[in-house]
Amino acid sequence: AQTVTQSQPEMSVQEAETVTLSCTYDTSESDYYLFWYKQPPSRQMILVIRQEAYKQQNATENRFSVNFQKAAKSFSLKISDSQLGDAAMYFCAYRPINSGYALNFGKGTSLLVTP
Amino acid sequence: GAVVSQHPSRVICKSGTSVKIECRSLDFQATTMFWYRQFPKKSLMLMATSNEGSKATYEQGVEKDKFLINHASLTLSTLTVTSAHPEDSSFYICSVGRGQETQYFGPGTRLLVL
Repeated sequence: AQTVTQSQPEMSVQEAETVTLSCTYDTSESDYYLFWYKQPPSRQMILVIRQEAYKQQNATENRFSVNFQKAAKSFSLKISDSQLGDAAMYFCAYRPINSGYALNFGKGTSLLVTP
Repeated sequence: GAVVSQHPSRVICKSGTSVKIECRSLDFQATTMFWYRQFPKKSLMLMATSNEGSKATYEQGVEKDKFLINHASLTLSTLTVTSAHPEDSSFYICSVGRGQETQYFGPGTRLLVL
């Protein structure tokens, strides 16, 4: 079974600064997908970024980027120029490459953004 | 991405009654739908996976007779909590998927059983 570990229950960052959320996972598969989802107080799950394991290039979406280290099974999320609206729970998730599989979530990191 | 709706957004019911939650994919034909449960300040726990026209596959520890899932079409799945009890109070979230595409989540349903 695959496990996803987020070792930071809470993180804090000042507005306009950069923060990195960590995620490690365990799998015996060589191909898979990794995701970061954001859950604001509304509790709507929002996809932040997605990475295919067979792609060496780190995914980037505007202010959000990942550091994907496949050998180390590490998938951290970097948020640059943090904004107040970035405050939320962030979940790292793993999914096998075959279709029909659910997401396996980490426990989440609560991000606080201070003015 | 896909637009997913859930109805109702919140429901309060008496202990012993049944509650049905609908999950609709508005612009996306979902071959697979997933139901998750989330406790306050906790992560999402997968309850079951349903494929259109087939019986749902339940995760270990999830009572299939208590949480009835029906996936009658490519755009609709329902979760019925039968004989609800206070411990069933939770936030229920559905997500939809098609092949290897990214899954899209509904806004969730908050259930309170008195």
